[in-house]
Amino acid sequence: AQSVSQHNHHVILSEAASLELGCNYSYGGTVNLFWYVQYPGQHLQLLLKYFSGDPLVKGIKGFEAEFIKSKFSFNLRKPSVQWSDTAEYFCAVIRSSASKIIFGSGTRLSIRP
Amino acid sequence: ETGVTQSPTHLIKTRGQQVTLRCSSQSGHNTVSWYQQALGQGPQFIFQYYREEENGRGNFPPRFSGLQFPNYSSELNVNALELDDSALYLCASSRDGYEQYFGPGTRLTVT
Repeated sequence: AQSVSQHNHHVILSEAASLELGCNYSYGGTVNLFWYVQYPGQHLQLLLKYFSGDPLVKGIKGFEAEFIKSKFSFNLRKPSVQWSDTAEYFCAVIRSSASKIIFGSGTRLSIRP
Repeated sequence: ETGVTQSPTHLIKTRGQQVTLRCSSQSGHNTVSWYQQALGQGPQFIFQYYREEENGRGNFPPRFSGLQFPNYSSELNVNALELDDSALYLCASSRDGYEQYFGPGTRLTVT
């Protein structure tokens, strides 16, 4: 069955540190990939997406993610985090021409000021 | 542009009862998806509606059913509630079925 794995459940960083959150998926066909963010008290927002083309995609607030097809990965990165990046981050995958989006279990990011 | 809205915000029901949750999609969006998010988990896909027809379903029993109306708003109905149905229920709308815009959710507690 199709699945999405986010191995880091809780990440704690200091401000200005670099961030990388892992995401791996199990489906071997053509996929569309997403990172969503949920700030405290707010609803899920789209951070960035990959449909096709350049495997390095840039999203809002300085985030980027790289799609590596051979590794079935779509890791999220940010060179320098801020306290305001404290949130829960979800990776999601959908097969092309499908309707079912599979979410990972999420990574909670805490930033120390 | 109005975002996705959901009602009610919170709901408490007793085991065995039925519940209806509502969602208004974002302007211009014709696809609505429903998700269940248990505490500490990612959203689990329940089903999707496109132009009033069910367009895909996750691993949820038939007692989870839905509707989409001509204005693209939607309802999620759950019959014979069980304790494990306690969760945050999220609605998301989209133009293309892929890029989802989420509402704030309805917190359902079953006692």
